[in-house]
Amino acid sequence: QVQLQESGPGLVKPSETLSLTCTVSGGSISTYYWIWIRQPPGKGLEWIGYIYYTGGTNYNPSLKSRVTISLDTSKNQFSLKLSSVTAADTAVYYCARQGDVMGAAYFDYWGQGTLVTVSS
Amino acid sequence: DIVMTQSPDSLAVSLGERATISCKSSQSVLYSSNNKNYLVWYQQKPGQPPKVLIYWASTRESGVPDRFSGSGSGTDFTLTISSLQAEDVAVYYCQQYYSTPRTFGQGTKVEIK
Repeated sequence: QVQLQESGPGLVKPSETLSLTCTVSGGSISTYYWIWIRQPPGKGLEWIGYIYYTGGTNYNPSLKSRVTISLDTSKNQFSLKLSSVTAADTAVYYCARQGDVMGAAYFDYWGQGTLVTVSS
Repeated sequence: DIVMTQSPDSLAVSLGERATISCKSSQSVLYSSNNKNYLVWYQQKPGQPPKVLIYWASTRESGVPDRFSGSGSGTDFTLTISSLQAEDVAVYYCQQYYSTPRTFGQGTKVEIK
């Protein structure tokens, strides 16, 4: 059974860079697409972007100038960096896997999520 | 970007009664080459990540109770819970995977009346 676990600081200061890591267990990261999604408290879901196991990336245009997603296949991990954060970036951040059952590119496995608060 | 709009924002249904949620996309998510609708429904309970219920707009994920069903095509979709159970209290989201950026509806909160 594939499991994902987010890790990283729960508090980030405004203008600094948010950094999170997702550790994948129960399966190899060397296939599929790997996703970051966020959810502000009490609000809906926002797709941040993905990285393919080959290293190719695709980011939400609304965040593209500030986002970097990277992959470390040796550790079975992928990471998110979001720069120049403001209070609007306060959210629960989820990592997820995009499955590919005959092209059905939905998010079939999710981490439990980690709350990141942006505050001085 | 494809905008996904759900209605209603919330609904209260008696136990055993039907719950119906609508999802509309700002452009078609039907891919003509395979005649499939690139739409998924998730259920999210408090403090948990979303869980897949339905993909391809109408295909139930393995292990999902058959009281959950999805229908629709093109730009108009529906999630139906045929007989609401207490454990179905949650927020439900539709999401398109037709194009990037992937986009979600704003969510519909289902409660017991």
